[in-house]
Order: sequence, then C-alpha cells, then structure tokens
Amino acid sequence: QPQLQESGPGLVKPPETLSLTCTVSGASISNSPDYWAWIRQPPGKGLEWIGSMYYTGTFFYNPSLRGRATISVDMSKNQFSLKVSSVTAADTAVYYCARRHRFDGRFDFWGQGTLVTVSS
Amino acid sequence: EIVMTQSPATLSVSPGERVTLSCRASQSVSSNLAWYQQRPGQAPRLLIYGASTRATGTPTRFSGSGSETEFTFTISSLQSDDFAVYYCQQCNYRPWTFGQGTKVEIK
Repeated sequence: QPQLQESGPGLVKPPETLSLTCTVSGASISNSPDYWAWIRQPPGKGLEWIGSMYYTGTFFYNPSLRGRATISVDMSKNQFSLKVSSVTAADTAVYYCARRHRFDGRFDFWGQGTLVTVSS
Repeated sequence: EIVMTQSPATLSVSPGERVTLSCRASQSVSSNLAWYQQRPGQAPRLLIYGASTRATGTPTRFSGSGSETEFTFTISSLQSDDFAVYYCQQCNYRPWTFGQGTKVEIK
C-alpha cells in the first residue's frame, strides 16, 4: 500500500508562490498505472481537487484555479510537487496529496495533509 | 462542472441508530460515486466507490446505493467511531467534485 507525505512551508505571503512536495513510499510513481493528485480543504470547509498527474507526463488541473497551479514530478526521488502562484488568503487550506485510482476518479490513499496559511 | 449536493448538512444521532445520508449530482455520473469519512484533524478515508462497493477495510455496516443523479449512504448501526463528516464525490468527469459534507454528531 502506498504511503504519502506532504512537506513544505506552513506560511506564505501574498502574492508569492506556494510550494509543496509529496513523497511517495510503497509505490513507484514512474511505473504506477494510477494517478497522483493534490486536493485542498480550507479551514472548516469542503474538499477541492486541484490537479492530477500521470507518470507519462500528462497533467490535469481544475479550471477553478485559473492557471495558477502547476504540478511537477521528480521520478528519481519518487516525489511530485505543487506550485500555486499569486496566492491570496483564499488559498489558505490544508493541502493533501493523494493517489487517484486508475479506473475512475476515486482517491484511495491520502497523505496526512499540511496546513498552509497565506498571510503577510 | 458537476455540482454535488449533500443533505442534510448535520445529523444528530444516538449510537446504535441507523443513519441515511443523501447525495445528488447536477447531472448523471452513472455509478461513479465515492463516499469518504473524515474525522477531526484527519485526512478523508475512502469508504465506498462505484456507488456501492466497499473499499478494503470498510466495515459492513457501511453501505451505498444509487445511480445517475441520486445516491444514498447508510450506516446500519452507528458506532462511536462513526461520528465524523461524510463526503460524496463524483468520479465520472473532471474536474472531480465533492459534496459539501454531512456532519454526523452525537445526539
């Protein structure tokens, strides 16, 4: 079973760029038939899918972020990363990395999440 | 984007009671619907996928049903561990979208 762990700064100033990394163990991103995703949850609110990647270099993003999100991958470290540019207070959230199952859009394994606060 | 609407927002229940939650999609998602449990301070946990298939490790007291736009999630006899927020998610079309959640609290 894969395990995922998010890491990155807990505080980001507007309008800088938020950067997070997800380290995967128990599965190899480079030959996994599944997808790898970022999801966020503002304090006290619901879940929002940010984007997903496939090891072939295919990326999908939620239009709600208006092009501000970028996912990248480092196969040598078995990590994938998220950048969100031009952040505002509305980007304050717990950010989760997760595995998206190959057959449909379900997220079957999740990291513990990391809180990112956007504040000057 | 498919909008997922859950009801009720909050449910006050006593241990041992049967719980039924609803989830409606703004357009058909076939049977591609998942249910998650989120306890305070924890990540969501996948319970049900394909509208009615239990994920590995999901207790049998949890069940799901429905198709197209109307879905139901049931806990047959509520246990103390089950007090949490439950989310539905459509798994049919990107962008993947979640309902706003139903909080199951102690009565």
